[in-house]
Amino acid sequence: AQSVTQPDIHITVSEGASLELRCNYSYGATPYLFWYVQSPGQGLQLLLKYFSGDTLVQGIKGFEAEFKRSQSSFNLRKPSVHWSDAAEYFCAVDPGGYNKLIFGAGTRLAVHP
Amino acid sequence: DVKVTQSSRYLVKRTGEKVFLECVQDMDHENMFWYRQDPGLGLRLIYFSYDVKMKEKGDIPEGYSVSREKKERFSLILESASTNQTSMYLCASSYRGTNTEAFFGQGTRLTVV
Repeated sequence: AQSVTQPDIHITVSEGASLELRCNYSYGATPYLFWYVQSPGQGLQLLLKYFSGDTLVQGIKGFEAEFKRSQSSFNLRKPSVHWSDAAEYFCAVDPGGYNKLIFGAGTRLAVHP
Repeated sequence: DVKVTQSSRYLVKRTGEKVFLECVQDMDHENMFWYRQDPGLGLRLIYFSYDVKMKEKGDIPEGYSVSREKKERFSLILESASTNQTSMYLCASSYRGTNTEAFFGQGTRLTVV
């Protein structure tokens, strides 16, 4: 069955430190890949997406993600975290191209001042 | 800006009640979705609609039904609410084609007592 794994449930970083959130997927072909962010009490906001082409994708708020086919991974990175980045982050895949998304369990990010 | 609006942010209902969650989008999107979000499980697809009066079961449809009488509106119905349906419910919409993205509402936190 198709699945998405986010190995880290909670991550804490200091403000200004770099960040990497991990995401692995299980799917035969290359699916469409997404990262969403959810601030407390809010809906989901799209950070970035990968459909094809360049495997390094730039998103909003200074985030980027790299698709690695050989590792079935789509890790999210940010070089310098801000306190406002504290939120829950979800990796998602769309195997069929219809936006019927399969989500990971999420990674909750805390940022220390 | 795309707007996906869910009619209630918070709802408290009694066991056995019939519950309606309403979602409206203003972007003329063909696809609409209902997801359920639970801690540690991420988001799971309940139902999907790709056109007016068309629907398709998602991964966890048991205990739910949906209605789409107009393109912009997608309703989730709990025929007889149970305590295990206490959760956050998120509506989303997207265009039908590939290489598109889903836009999410703010969510409805439903508590069944």
